[in-house]
Amino acid sequence: DAKTTQPPSMDCAEGRAANLPCNHSTISGNEYVYWYRQIHSQGPQYIIHGLKNNETNEMASLIITEDRKSSTLILPHATLRDTAVYYCIVIPLKTSYDKVIFGPGTSLSVIP
Amino acid sequence: NAGVTQTPKFQVLKTGQSMTLQCAQDMNHEYMSWYRQDPGMGLRLIHYSVGAGITDQGEVPNGYNVSRSTTEDFPLRLLSAAPSQTSVYFCASRRTTYGYTFGSGTRLTVV
Repeated sequence: DAKTTQPPSMDCAEGRAANLPCNHSTISGNEYVYWYRQIHSQGPQYIIHGLKNNETNEMASLIITEDRKSSTLILPHATLRDTAVYYCIVIPLKTSYDKVIFGPGTSLSVIP
Repeated sequence: NAGVTQTPKFQVLKTGQSMTLQCAQDMNHEYMSWYRQDPGMGLRLIHYSVGAGITDQGEVPNGYNVSRSTTEDFPLRLLSAAPSQTSVYFCASRRTTYGYTFGSGTRLTVV
């Protein structure tokens, strides 16, 4: 089973910030939180990842709670092209066991 | 770098035929995985590998075989195609501390 839970769908007005939550209450100390998105039927695209500090790149910001049990992906100014399914997954730092399971993700609709 | 290359991009098979989906990466990534995605559904893990010579089963391994003789290549073999295997197949690779890089997918139809 996936180690994360996300709301199945969200809407966001174009130009506003999209805040996508993820619960990972069973995360281990050596596991990173990763976010991907999948636009239509393309291959998933990496967005951002973090261990315990907040992270920001040109695409998004990642806020991880102090207890690491949940996180929020923030798209600061959502555009129509951000309409996609967003996946939150946890991946260990290094392991001989790499069974990375994707959950159903959150379907984000950006509305004009 | 070409990233993760999957071939073919499209394939139609008849029930009972066998074929190999190719996946190659030129990033020297240790970990590689195969996922399938049925229409309107999420990604399901078929098989994965943590290095050359090491493979293991994912969520839905039945009907598929894999091998990892080199770091670069991770082919997926369909032993006897069935209509239930109609899907989009994604190969992905990663190295330690980094997330997966996905290929563009192989769209397989079994008739």
